[in-house]
Amino acid sequence: GENVEQHPSTLSVQEGDSAVIKCTYSDSASNYFPWYKQELGKGPQLIIDIRSNVGEKKDQRIAVTLNKTAKHFSLHITETQPEDSAVYFCAASKGGRTGTASKLTFGTGTRLQVTL
Amino acid sequence: GEEVAQTPKHLVRGEGQKAKLYCAPIKGHSYVFWYQQVLKNEFKFLISFQNENVFDETGMPKERFSAKCLPNSPCSLEIQATKLEDSAVYFCASKQRGEYTEAFFGQGTRLTVV
Repeated sequence: GENVEQHPSTLSVQEGDSAVIKCTYSDSASNYFPWYKQELGKGPQLIIDIRSNVGEKKDQRIAVTLNKTAKHFSLHITETQPEDSAVYFCAASKGGRTGTASKLTFGTGTRLQVTL
Repeated sequence: GEEVAQTPKHLVRGEGQKAKLYCAPIKGHSYVFWYQQVLKNEFKFLISFQNENVFDETGMPKERFSAKCLPNSPCSLEIQATKLEDSAVYFCASKQRGEYTEAFFGQGTRLTVV
């Protein structure tokens, strides 16, 4: 089955700096890679996702890159703000018509702390 | 509704007691998933449904865990004879039919087995 590794487990940055979180996956059939933000006591919330036919996607201060050959994908947050402090999870699954109900395999999470 | 509603928020059970958790998916979503999040943040997939049919139950500890999604009722996850290691936050998520659709998560039910 799929295995997703995520690094680092904790990350502390100063406000305004960039944060990068990296994930690797094992199953070459995975083709959908969402990133979730989880705040204390809440459920995960999707912040950005990428499909395997795209190498990069950007949404304001957040970007995700995907290297299918190396089975790596990364989350980049620029100009970090205190409200970005949370736990971030990468995930992998098989999207598309035949994979609509495919489960998400999560990474182990990165606790991001943005300090003033 | 526009959000996945999970009840109760907190549940405390003595070891060996039964626990039942509920999930109302977003209206119109055809797929429901249950995940278990343990202390170190790790998410473990339990089971998924396509409408009322089980789609994938490879993550379910079959001896004590069961789940249902019946028409016109919230989905449920039941744990018979709870054990200490069942203590976790259980999340439900739902998705629309369609390619690459977003999974929306509920706020979770924190189960504590004492």
